[in-house]
Amino acid sequence: AQSVTQLDSHVSVSEGTPVLLRCNYSSSYSPSLFWYVQHPNKGLQLLLKYTSAATLVKGINGFEAEFKKSETSFHLTKPSAHMSDAAEYFCVVTPGTGFQKLVFGTGTRLLVSP
Amino acid sequence: NAGVMQNPRHLVRRRGQEARLRCSPMKGHSHVYWYRQLPEEGLKFMVYLQKENIIDESGMPKERFSAEFPKEGPSILRIQQVVRGDSAAYFCASSPDTLEQYFGPGTRLTVT
Repeated sequence: AQSVTQLDSHVSVSEGTPVLLRCNYSSSYSPSLFWYVQHPNKGLQLLLKYTSAATLVKGINGFEAEFKKSETSFHLTKPSAHMSDAAEYFCVVTPGTGFQKLVFGTGTRLLVSP
Repeated sequence: NAGVMQNPRHLVRRRGQEARLRCSPMKGHSHVYWYRQLPEEGLKFMVYLQKENIIDESGMPKERFSAEFPKEGPSILRIQQVVRGDSAAYFCASSPDTLEQYFGPGTRLTVT
């Protein structure tokens, strides 16, 4: 079975400082991993995805994540936070076998202060 | 290309009524997924459908819930005899024959 653990329910940063959102996964198969962002009362937008190609994945809006198999981690980072980054972020895993049954973490709420 | 469309965006039902949630996938997408998000939680998979077929409904409650994706028209998630615990945001996603899922804006169901 697959699962993800998002280690922080809330992360607070100041505008212009780095962002780190942590995610550990568990998977019986070679997983595919995703980060989605959800702004208040909006749907989910895909930030980036890892599907067994390059371990460092670049996404939209300056976000990137690194797949580390030895640590079973897929942390999301951004060098400099912007006010518009304030949102809920979900780490997601699915078995890399072609079926798209996404398993979501519980989410990390990112707060960005001026 | 319009995104995934869901309607209504907000739905209020009294206990015991039926709720019907609609999802129109992106053009060319034949795979539809429904997820439920309870307050302060992540999304939970409910059901995966292709045209006229339910592929996996392992996340759907056995009673009162049903889903369909007919040959023509949107996918429908139907909840009969709603209870307070059904209050949640219900998200639909669609995909072509790949991993990536595109999510709709969700339907927020409130049961009073």
